[in-house]
Amino acid sequence: DQQVKQNSPSLSVQEGRISILNCDYTNSMFDYFLWYKKYPAEGPTFLISISSIKDKNEDGRFTVFLNKSAKHLSLHIVPSQPGDSAVYFCAAYLHTGRRALTFGSGTRLQVQP
Amino acid sequence: GAVVSQHPSWVICKSGTSVKIECRSLDFQATTMFWYRQFPKQSLMLMATSNEGSKATYEQGVEKDKFLINHASLTLSTLTVTSAHPEDSSFYICSARGTSGRGLVQFFGPGTRLTVL
Repeated sequence: DQQVKQNSPSLSVQEGRISILNCDYTNSMFDYFLWYKKYPAEGPTFLISISSIKDKNEDGRFTVFLNKSAKHLSLHIVPSQPGDSAVYFCAAYLHTGRRALTFGSGTRLQVQP
Repeated sequence: GAVVSQHPSWVICKSGTSVKIECRSLDFQATTMFWYRQFPKQSLMLMATSNEGSKATYEQGVEKDKFLINHASLTLSTLTVTSAHPEDSSFYICSARGTSGRGLVQFFGPGTRLTVL
């Protein structure tokens, strides 16, 4: 049972435009959501997180939106840069139980110069 | 910002030997550390979770006697692969979680590539 889903395996955008990466989840008990980007053979790089009590969090070029009623979150990158090209994972955290992150399958973002 | 380091970044060993991988959180107190394994073209697979000073909690299917985890302090966790075999060859990544001015954060180390001959 995949509790965190990223239904788009890939996304291509032009440099300077907005990149929107989507993530859906099924467990309404998740407390926090985090976004990471990852390059091959490297550990994920933390980008931004959002608590379930908020609907928006912004950090520089990155903004995460959370729609709890739809169990949906999205990461907006504005403006997109070629260096943003990577695989992006959303992850969800549940403070009870084993408390590990549950990852989505990732979306590969390609920013075209 | 907070950084998580891993050492070594890559290691090649003979079958039957043991390998220790260190994970350190720098400028950051990690109340919880995680060890992941990544297979090619797949997402991260959680192996175990450890809180400082207590025994690690292993995921189903992960042998605790083979993958020994020690979390002696808020900044150091180690993973020892005992009696390594070629099927243990993989990319191992540690992760450290805590809170900061940015809220809940969880940082990942750069990973360790293990090759068992």
